[in-house]
Amino acid sequence: QKEVEQDPGPLSVPEGAIVSLNCTYSNSAFQYFMWYRQYSRKGPELLMYTYSSGNKEDGRFTAQVDKSSKYISLFIRDSQPSDSATYLCAMRINFGNEKLTFGTGTRLTIIP
Amino acid sequence: DAGITQSPRYKITETGRQVTLMCHQTWSHSYMFWYRQDLGHGLRLIYYSAAADITDKGEVPDGYVVSRSKTENFPLTLESATRSQTSVYFCASSDLTPEAFFGQGTRLTVV
Repeated sequence: QKEVEQDPGPLSVPEGAIVSLNCTYSNSAFQYFMWYRQYSRKGPELLMYTYSSGNKEDGRFTAQVDKSSKYISLFIRDSQPSDSATYLCAMRINFGNEKLTFGTGTRLTIIP
Repeated sequence: DAGITQSPRYKITETGRQVTLMCHQTWSHSYMFWYRQDLGHGLRLIYYSAAADITDKGEVPDGYVVSRSKTENFPLTLESATRSQTSVYFCASSDLTPEAFFGQGTRLTVV
């Protein structure tokens, strides 16, 4: 079993819809939870990060972490065609242990 | 140019040949990483380095060698390339922040 599980999709939604992306994990030591966005033939770029449980909002994006369920989510409101990309969740234990463990990524397409 | 750069961007090599992928960062970040990205597996850590002359294995290190004589450079060498090493390779760096900065990737094909 992988430490981090993510549905690879692909996921296609119409423009303006709310998108929900999710990951589950098995290692309870993870404390930092990140979402990276990767456009085709580019390197991943950090979208948001959250420490421990809770919610974090940044514009149209909201990240949620539920450590009790070992479940994290990324919500995209008012989705735009420019949001079409692969979204990867990533997790880290703590500072001083810089290794990131990634999910497989979900390929998202927003249909105009 | 500031940032993290990988070279070459594309490489085709034959089975059994030695190949070196280069990674250079201009931020003086302490940590550097090599990942490979394959369909169905996502990003998997090959090797990482906490500082110059300090390296450690990641999840899939077999068949790879790294060195880090200078803080800014972290080359990855495939000692004897195999077809299973056909992949997209990403170098990344970070410095005690949540964010890791990734290069553009090197697309390697072993024939």
